[in-house]
Amino acid sequence: EVQLLQSGGGLVQPGGSLRLSCAASGFTFSSYAMTWVRQTPGKGLEWVSAISGSGGNIYYADSVKGRFTTSRDNSKNMVYLQMYSLTAEDSAVYYCAKNRHEGAATYDSWGQGALVTVSS
Amino acid sequence: EIVLTQSPGTLSLSPGERATLSCRASQSVSNSQLTWYQQKPGQAPRFFIYGASTRATGIPDRFSGSGSGTDFTLTITRLEPEDFAVYYCQQYGSSPITFGQGTRLDIK
Repeated sequence: EVQLLQSGGGLVQPGGSLRLSCAASGFTFSSYAMTWVRQTPGKGLEWVSAISGSGGNIYYADSVKGRFTTSRDNSKNMVYLQMYSLTAEDSAVYYCAKNRHEGAATYDSWGQGALVTVSS
Repeated sequence: EIVLTQSPGTLSLSPGERATLSCRASQSVSNSQLTWYQQKPGQAPRFFIYGASTRATGIPDRFSGSGSGTDFTLTITRLEPEDFAVYYCQQYGSSPITFGQGTRLDIK
């Protein structure tokens, strides 16, 4: 059974940093791209970033480019989202998700979500 | 960027009725690369239909997806109590990946 277990959310001040983690199990982790999606009541679901199975290709939404860094450790079955220079607009529930396969940006398993609140 | 507009915003129906949810794209979605997700309160989205019409593993056959180009539909025949939730469409044919704003399916 595929499982994605997230950790690392919380309250952070504007301009601060936070790292989200996602521990994967139940599938051959290195064979699948992984994606971060965030959700807010106002903007709905928003694609944030994706990383290929090898980690060699990483993509970002324009809204986070230059501030967020996605990485993965295939030896630990982990994917990370490092967030810098956070603003109130980054407040959201962040989900990690498994791509259905390397070439398809559709997500067949999701983590439970991590709430990030950016506030002073 | 492809904008996905879902309608109606809210649909109120009774168990046993048929639901028709629409997802309209501002540009043609390449190769019908459209997914439907179901989300219940406090839960992550759940993968339901991909490629516009292929049900994911374990999804009952009362759910069906159709459409191509710019117009897509999710149909639920004979609504069950567990089907009442929010449904989102997502296109993955063009970058950036985009989602619709959702249709809330409420019990009447």
